[in-house]
Amino acid sequence: DGGITQSPKYLFRKEGQNVTLSCEQNLNHDAMYWYRQDPGQGLRLIYYSQIVNDFQKGDIAEGYSVSREKKESFPLTVTSAQKNPTAFYLCASSPVWRVNTEAFFGQGTRLTVV
Amino acid sequence: DQQVKQNSPSLSVQEGRISILNCDYTNSMFDYFLWYKKYPAEGPTFLISISSIKDKNEDGRFTVFLNKSAKHLSLHIVPSQPGDSAVYFCAASAHPMDSNYQLIWGAGTKLIIKP
Repeated sequence: DGGITQSPKYLFRKEGQNVTLSCEQNLNHDAMYWYRQDPGQGLRLIYYSQIVNDFQKGDIAEGYSVSREKKESFPLTVTSAQKNPTAFYLCASSPVWRVNTEAFFGQGTRLTVV
Repeated sequence: DQQVKQNSPSLSVQEGRISILNCDYTNSMFDYFLWYKKYPAEGPTFLISISSIKDKNEDGRFTVFLNKSAKHLSLHIVPSQPGDSAVYFCAASAHPMDSNYQLIWGAGTKLIIKP
């Protein structure tokens, strides 16, 4: 089955620690995205990648880092510099970086800082 | 500054009736709009879209209407079914060839279909 997989589903982190969220897709999509969702707000773009070995900052990239070494994988690292990391994180992919191509989403990772 | 607003956090509709979900936007450069549906513990899934060159797009029970002058779009579901109970997100974007293009999302409306 083709799809996009995020892991883990729930993640707890101590303050001051970095943590990496996994995102893998087997859809052969060029473009991948990371979004953050907070209660009462829409999805906000953290980082996106139009193609392998390339990525760009979104609206709220501070305190986050990504890599795109493989087409299938787009991991997100939440660093200790992120002041309010507790949120629901969604990874998505689309065939190309183009507005009329709908994105396919993973099931999300809920990160809680304890 | 929310460029895409879904002012109703929740909506309750009787099964078989029409569900109307609304979305307002402020950026006149937006010219492509999408609706996504999200069930609990799942990622959003694409539902329907509309380009600004149209004022209506229909797909089965789902119809999206766009009123550019009012900067308003709506999603109609007729007839509403229990499986339609979900959170619905509206998203908008500017020109597809804009290198800085990205989708701007509303906060979502939770639709509850009552039996």
